Amino acid sequence: DAKTTQPTSMDCAEGRAANLPCNHSTISGNEYVYWYRQIHSQGPQYIIHGLKNNETNEMASLIITEDRKSSTLILPHATLRDTAVYYCIVRVALGSGGSNYKLTFGKGTLLTVNP
Amino acid sequence: DTEVTQTPKHLVMGMTNKKSLKCEQHMGHRAMYWYKQKAKKPPELMFVYSYEKLSINESVPSRFSPECPNSSLLNLHLHALQPEDSALYLCASSGRLDSPLHFGNGTRLTVT
Repeated sequence: DAKTTQPTSMDCAEGRAANLPCNHSTISGNEYVYWYRQIHSQGPQYIIHGLKNNETNEMASLIITEDRKSSTLILPHATLRDTAVYYCIVRVALGSGGSNYKLTFGKGTLLTVNP
Repeated sequence: DTEVTQTPKHLVMGMTNKKSLKCEQHMGHRAMYWYKQKAKKPPELMFVYSYEKLSINESVPSRFSPECPNSSLLNLHLHALQPEDSALYLCASSGRLDSPLHFGNGTRLTVT
C-alpha cells in the first residue's frame, strides 16, 4: 500500500489559510489522493480528491506536485469549525481489474483553528 | 446530519450477548463498508460489500459477521465479543467502489 506521512498537529489562526502537507512518495501512477476530515465524535467527512491536476471545490483546494510525491490541502479561510483531524489517503486499487479499491487511513493531522 | 444512518448510536453488551449494528443509506449507493475505530486511532477497514456481495474481508475475526440484505442496508452481527472490541464502528457507502465514501456517525460499542 502507498503510505502517507503527515505532521501530527498544526495550528492556524481563524480567518487565515490552513495549508496541510502530505507526503506520498511511493504513490503509483493510477492511485488517487483523497482527503477526509473527522471532527470529534463524528464520522469522517470527504473533502476532495485528485490524481494529477490541482482540484478545487467549495470546501478546499488540493495542490499535487508534478512528481505526485506530495500534496497540500488548502482551507482558504479557516474557521473554528474546521478544527478536526485531517487524513490524507492514497486509494489503492486491488487486483488487475481496476474495480476494487481500498481506502486505508493513516494517522492524520490534528488541525486546531485558534480565535 | 449525514445521509448514512447508523443505529444504535451507543451499545453496551456483555461478552456472551448477541447484538447487531445497523446501517442504512438511500442514496442509491452500491458499495458499503464497515470500519472500526479505536480511541485516538484512525479508522481501520473491516469489510467491503459491492452489489450486496462481500468484496473485501480484512481478516476480521468470525465473531464479527457482516450481512447486506439489500442495497440500502448493511448489518454487522456481533457474538462473543471481547472487551478489546470496544470501539466506534463506522459504516460508509459509495456510489461505486471508485467513488468517495460517505460515512455515518458510527455506533459506539462498549463490551463489558
